[in-house]
Amino acid sequence: DTGVSQDPRHKITKRGQNVTFRCDPISEHNRLYWYRQTLGQGPEFLTYFQNEAQLEKSRLLSDRFSAERPKGSFSTLEIQRTEQGDSAMYLCASSSRQGTDTEAFFGQGTRLTVV
Amino acid sequence: RKEVEQDPGPFNVPEGATVAFNCTYSNSASQSFFWYRQDCRKEPKLLMSVYSSGNEDGRFTAQLNRASQYISLLIRDSKLSDSATYLCVVTDKLIFGTGTRLQVFP
Repeated sequence: DTGVSQDPRHKITKRGQNVTFRCDPISEHNRLYWYRQTLGQGPEFLTYFQNEAQLEKSRLLSDRFSAERPKGSFSTLEIQRTEQGDSAMYLCASSSRQGTDTEAFFGQGTRLTVV
Repeated sequence: RKEVEQDPGPFNVPEGATVAFNCTYSNSASQSFFWYRQDCRKEPKLLMSVYSSGNEDGRFTAQLNRASQYISLLIRDSKLSDSATYLCVVTDKLIFGTGTRLQVFP
């Protein structure tokens, strides 16, 4: 499978615990995006990378959230001290930066439930 | 003000109808515009890019109005399979609107 893959698909955690999600983009894609989506809403931008550089992080993102892409390939999203409000689907997407016309491909997401 | 705004709907239309969605954006410097489709409990997938001159793909037509900072999507001859959420996407960092839900009924 050469698409975007995310791991795990589902995560249930207790409030206060730390969680880490992984995203493997399409291999030749240099851009990688993280989003959070809740029911009835569109994907909410969290952060994005071009190669290993984190270009922007949403102001809505608290300091409990951190993302890395150390070698410009896979990426991890860590949430520290999880809260019930963090329960959502976390989506990763990748694209190849080609001018202004860049199709992003999404993974199937990691569904986080904080209990 | 949100960077990208859409009417959440739902739009309930009969098969064969024509339906149009609009989306407004706040950043006048935006260069990239897209429409994505998201089915229930699935990931978003690109429906079409939106070009300055407008573009058409079968029953779907997308248009961009830079002066008024909105993009539109027109679906002609609606099919049951068009039922989904349509997401407007703007800029290189891919900012999504909240999506407009379309339900096509027989």
